[in-house]
Amino acid sequence: GQQVQQSPASLVLQEGENAELQCNFSSTATQLQWFYQSPGGSLVSLLSNPSGTKHTGRLTSTTVTKERRSSLHISSSQTTDSGTYLCAITGNYKYVFGAGTRLKVIA
Amino acid sequence: GGIITQTPKFLIGQEGQKLTLKCQQNFNHDTMYWYRQDSGKGLRLIYYSITENDLQKGDLSEGYDASREKKSSFSLTVTSAQKNEMAVFLCASSINWGSSAETLYFGSGTRLTVL
Repeated sequence: GQQVQQSPASLVLQEGENAELQCNFSSTATQLQWFYQSPGGSLVSLLSNPSGTKHTGRLTSTTVTKERRSSLHISSSQTTDSGTYLCAITGNYKYVFGAGTRLKVIA
Repeated sequence: GGIITQTPKFLIGQEGQKLTLKCQQNFNHDTMYWYRQDSGKGLRLIYYSITENDLQKGDLSEGYDASREKKSSFSLTVTSAQKNEMAVFLCASSINWGSSAETLYFGSGTRLTVL
């Protein structure tokens, strides 16, 4: 079945630094989403980006469908960005999730 | 906007017990999902339902039953709780467009502890 690999597994940044998160997937996806999970919280969708580049606020996602990879760039990180970032893909009704990147931003 | 409500928020059970988790959504979404999240790991799909009265097994369905009683509700039963089991169960929903699901929306989870 489909598999999703995320890297790095964890990341520590100083406030103001940029973060680059990677997502690689094993088969063609018709939909790809990046989610944010706060410590102890539920998941919130950040953006849907099955192909190309999308921006929202300080977030930029670039998905290269042919190479089966997506990235999430967080610019000027803030302490409130700390949490887990999950990538998920679907080629049918089922979403398959990666294990996530745990981001900690320190002041 | 809509909301997904999961009950209970915390569930403590005994080994061998049958436990039921409930999920309600008011988005009027077609598809609903149950995922399990273990500490430090990604989400694994237990069951999903494309429409009312439909039921599809995910990768982790063994040991669970599910029921889509109506479009707005989807319940999950742990048929026999395993000792020392600890996990978060997340319910999600999405509207369908063509043959694929669109953006997923999640509830806040049910945290299960088995003594």
